[in-house]
Amino acid sequence: QLQLQESGPGLVKPSETLSLTCTVSGGSISSGSHYWGWIRQPPGKGLEWIGNIYYTGSTYYNPSLKSRVTMSVDTSKNQFSLNLSSVTAADTAVYYCAGLYCSGGRCYSNNWGQGTLVAVSS
Amino acid sequence: QSALTQPASVSGSPGQSITISCTGTSSDVGGYDYVSWYQQHPGKAPKLMIYDVSDRPSGVSNRFSGSKSGNTASLAISGLQAEDEADYYCGSYTSSDPLYVFGTGTKVTVL
Repeated sequence: QLQLQESGPGLVKPSETLSLTCTVSGGSISSGSHYWGWIRQPPGKGLEWIGNIYYTGSTYYNPSLKSRVTMSVDTSKNQFSLNLSSVTAADTAVYYCAGLYCSGGRCYSNNWGQGTLVAVSS
Repeated sequence: QSALTQPASVSGSPGQSITISCTGTSSDVGGYDYVSWYQQHPGKAPKLMIYDVSDRPSGVSNRFSGSKSGNTASLAISGLQAEDEADYYCGSYTSSDPLYVFGTGTKVTVL
């Protein structure tokens, strides 16, 4: 069973870049069976899928965040990362990483990190 | 890419049955028979409850069932229990980036 764990600062200043890393264990990030995604949830609000990255480095970003999002993968460390630039208070949220099983339109996520709260404040 | 539409809240008494709807478009829910449903308790990560419209992962109660018609999917919970009180989200592959989209979420209250 895949396990995912987010890591990174819990506090980021406005206009700076939010950076998080997700470490995958219990399986290889290069297996090809999963896309690796970031999801966020502002306090009291719903889930928003930020984007996905495949182990090859192909990325798929939510159009609403595309101009500020960069995702990367490090197969040697079995990790993938999220950078979100020019953050504002509206980016304060719990950030989850997840493995998205996807094959020909058949997609679901059965592997989630525990989530990490990132607050944007000076 | 817009979120799938769900009712904000649904409630029921213990033992009753409830249904949550999830409406999308032909680019997501209507175009693929692969809708999934997630349960989220406060402070916890979402948990997969249904995938491929109506399949349950191992360990998920058979009180949870899913269906789909056209652009709308549904999650039914029968024999409602106090532990079912949570937020529920549908999810679907979408033909546009970022490949996956969630519903707006439904808060289930057990009266």
